[in-house]
Amino acid sequence: SQKIEQNSEALNIQEGKTATLTCNYTNYSPAYLQWYRQDPGRGPVFLLLIRENEKEKRKERLKVTFDTTLKQSLFHITASQPADSATYLCAPRKGGATNKLIFGTGTLLAVQP
Amino acid sequence: GAGVSQTPSNKVTEKGKYVELRCDPISGHTALYWYRQSLGQGPEFLIYFQGTGAADDSGLPNDRFFAVRPEGSVSTLKIQRTERGDSAVYLCASSLGFGTGELFFGEGSRLTVL
Repeated sequence: SQKIEQNSEALNIQEGKTATLTCNYTNYSPAYLQWYRQDPGRGPVFLLLIRENEKEKRKERLKVTFDTTLKQSLFHITASQPADSATYLCAPRKGGATNKLIFGTGTLLAVQP
Repeated sequence: GAGVSQTPSNKVTEKGKYVELRCDPISGHTALYWYRQSLGQGPEFLIYFQGTGAADDSGLPNDRFFAVRPEGSVSTLKIQRTERGDSAVYLCASSLGFGTGELFFGEGSRLTVL
């Protein structure tokens, strides 16, 4: 069955450093992959989408990579700030007629001032 | 507001009771999704609608769970004979439809079964 794994332990980093979050998937060939942010007590919010033919995507301080050979996506936040503290969810998606979106377990990021 | 609206935000019920959770999606969004999220876990897919029809209900855990979207807009998730294990946050999301479209989530309905 399809499996999506994210860092199970919380990631603690110092303000100003780069945070790197990992998303690995198995039994899956996603056409693209989405990343979401979730704050406590709130619904997830879309951040970025990367397609299988794109190696890297950037948006302000965010960068996402997608390696279909390794079946892995990395999510980077540069110059991290305490306001970046949240849970980050990855969601590889098959695309096409199958529109179901399956989420990973999420990684909790804590940026210390 | 223009976002996805879910009601109630909190629901406490007793084991064995019937519960309805409502989702009002963003106007014009044809796709609607229901997820369930337990503490420390990612959202777990339940069902998604394209228009009025359930395009994929493979995530519904058993026949106590049922969802409808009769007019292709508002959706109701119905849970019969609730059990303590049903306690979770139920999230609704909508999107423009097929393709790579992002999901817009509501704030969720927190269900507690005593």
